[in-house]
Amino acid sequence: DAGVIQSPRHEVTEMGQEVTLRCKPISGHNSLFWYRQTMMRGLELLIYFNNNVPIDDSGMPEDRFSAKMPNASFSTLKIQPSEPRDSAVYFCASSLQGTQETQYFGPGTRLLVL
Amino acid sequence: AQSVTQLDSQVPVFEEAPVELRCNYSSSVSVYLFWYVQYPNQGLQLLLKYLSGSTLVKGINGFEAEFNKSQTSFHLRKPSVHISDTAEYFCAVSDHNTDKLIFGTGTRLQVFP
Repeated sequence: DAGVIQSPRHEVTEMGQEVTLRCKPISGHNSLFWYRQTMMRGLELLIYFNNNVPIDDSGMPEDRFSAKMPNASFSTLKIQPSEPRDSAVYFCASSLQGTQETQYFGPGTRLLVL
Repeated sequence: AQSVTQLDSQVPVFEEAPVELRCNYSSSVSVYLFWYVQYPNQGLQLLLKYLSGSTLVKGINGFEAEFNKSQTSFHLRKPSVHISDTAEYFCAVSDHNTDKLIFGTGTRLQVFP
């Protein structure tokens, strides 16, 4: 299996622009997670889906952030408008549903907002 | 609510020396416990996990961890480290009611020749 695929791997944009991060989970996995990693705040869960349905979005920082999962093989995380404090590495992870299941992480998208 | 404390932000060690990375958790319910490793510029990958049964759990790359319920700890150990073990290590806890993982702040293991 190709593992979790994220695109783009790097993104540099200017403040105020819209940013869309993409994720393709491992085939057969029905849980998908979006995380953000920064030096200051560490690894934070933003939102997760089970069977394409958002279950917990309490980690989404504010209304500028939105996430969708239109089908089992694709998810997006959108930031509109972007701000310099959104600069971070964004990870997508997928797993089989269940608290004991291993999460498989993608390589991440490194976002820099100027 | 669950929480995880990794007591050491950095652990420097020489190659072939033993290492222990400490993790304590707080929870009012039963939990599952995980250790993940993050190599530079990569995503996290599972080292090992404790679900139930034997409190000594063996993982990949020669790592092991011991679940201690009375001390609410899940320390990670390796008897002899290699340069290639240089990475960030994250302890995580989940509860039985959600699919969420609560991660610690990470411990950076630096192995010197």
